[in-house]
Amino acid sequence: DSGVTQTPKHLITATGQRVTLRCSPRSGDLSVYWYQQSLDQGLQFLIQYYNGEERAKGNILERFSAQQFPDLHSELNLSSLELGDSALYFCASSPHFDRNYGYTFGSGTRLTVV
Amino acid sequence: QKEVEQDPGPLSVPEGAIVSLNCTYSNSAFQYFMWYRQYSRKGPELLMYTYSSGNKEDGRFTAQVDKSSKYISLFIRDSQPSDSATYLCAMSATNAGKSTFGDGTTLTVKP
Repeated sequence: DSGVTQTPKHLITATGQRVTLRCSPRSGDLSVYWYQQSLDQGLQFLIQYYNGEERAKGNILERFSAQQFPDLHSELNLSSLELGDSALYFCASSPHFDRNYGYTFGSGTRLTVV
Repeated sequence: QKEVEQDPGPLSVPEGAIVSLNCTYSNSAFQYFMWYRQYSRKGPELLMYTYSSGNKEDGRFTAQVDKSSKYISLFIRDSQPSDSATYLCAMSATNAGKSTFGDGTTLTVKP
């Protein structure tokens, strides 16, 4: 157990639907990162939050949004889902927002859009 | 062109071999360099972290960073079947927490 908890582990949903992925960071970590991993692509950075505030944004689609709550857990919302959104979604956490000594990753949410 | 290019592999070696995994990058601002190991689509696990140039050793693993050539390497000595996994390099700039990852190299160590 890495200390980063992601739920659910698996999600199967239809095109056009909306889903919410949840992440609880490792105890003491204030930064949360969301990454997407498709079969034909590596880990793609989506968004970073630090202590409730958005700090950096990657190539995140407008249909996707995220937030970090006062208890530091984070949610990634994916709407108007398309077949191409099927991927592994990872959450990672770290203590800092401006230095990178490596992340602790969760076990991921496998999203299948049918 | 991608900011981080990783030797694609796959790589297959006999048990006990020395393995060399490599990445090149184009962004001069990268200062933090990491290697992760990922078992069959599980969450990546941090193996090594290096700041700026130089070498770092941890057991059977050695990470090297050559900023002048924009080239990083991970060496695995006395490779074991349990080392079979996908290895990901990752980098980030100063004053930034987000990492840019390579696409990964899949390693198989045969008994």
